Amino acid sequence: AQSVTQLDSQVPVFEEAPVELRCNYSSSVSVYLFWYVQYPNQGLQLLLKYLSGSTLVKGINGFEAEFNKSQTSFHLRKPSVHISDTAEYFCAVSINTGGFKTIFGAGTRLFVKA
Amino acid sequence: SQTIHQWPATLVQPVGSPLSLECTVEGTSNPNLYWYRQAAGRGLQLLFYSVGIGQISSEVPQNLSASRPQDRQFILSSKKLLLSDSGFYLCAWSGTGTNSPLHFGNGTRLTVT
Repeated sequence: AQSVTQLDSQVPVFEEAPVELRCNYSSSVSVYLFWYVQYPNQGLQLLLKYLSGSTLVKGINGFEAEFNKSQTSFHLRKPSVHISDTAEYFCAVSINTGGFKTIFGAGTRLFVKA
Repeated sequence: SQTIHQWPATLVQPVGSPLSLECTVEGTSNPNLYWYRQAAGRGLQLLFYSVGIGQISSEVPQNLSASRPQDRQFILSSKKLLLSDSGFYLCAWSGTGTNSPLHFGNGTRLTVT
């Protein structure tokens, strides 16, 4: 069965510091990978996606993620965070079996401190 | 551009009462539609998805049901709410490919008292 593990439930960081949010997945079939962000009391917004090609993917708001097939990871990074980046971040995989299932990790709450 | 509308934003209902949450999508045709439930600290749980009018797939046996009476309308219902139905409900749409990302509504916070 497929699964997504976000290794940190909460990540506190100071403003302008770099951050990495970790995501590992397991799947016996090929997958598409996504990161979503959720601000309080709102739905999720797509940050970036990996479908194929270059393993380094750039998204909105200065975020990027790197797909590592051998380590089955898709970590999210930002070199310098802002207060406005405080939110919950979800890693997700879409299973390439012709179905429509997207599996989400439990989320990582990023808290940026002044 | 495509937009997704979900309402109401918040809802407080007594145990045993019925439920109807509605979601509509604009700017696209024949989308895949989804209902998710989000519990605090537990990520998102897929409840239902639909690939066309009248076609509903249920992921988790539960007290809820879904219907798709029109191409861009998706409804989540219950005949009798349970306390355990409390949560944050999210509607989403996607294109028809498995590499198509999800686009979410702003959610409905349901509290069953």
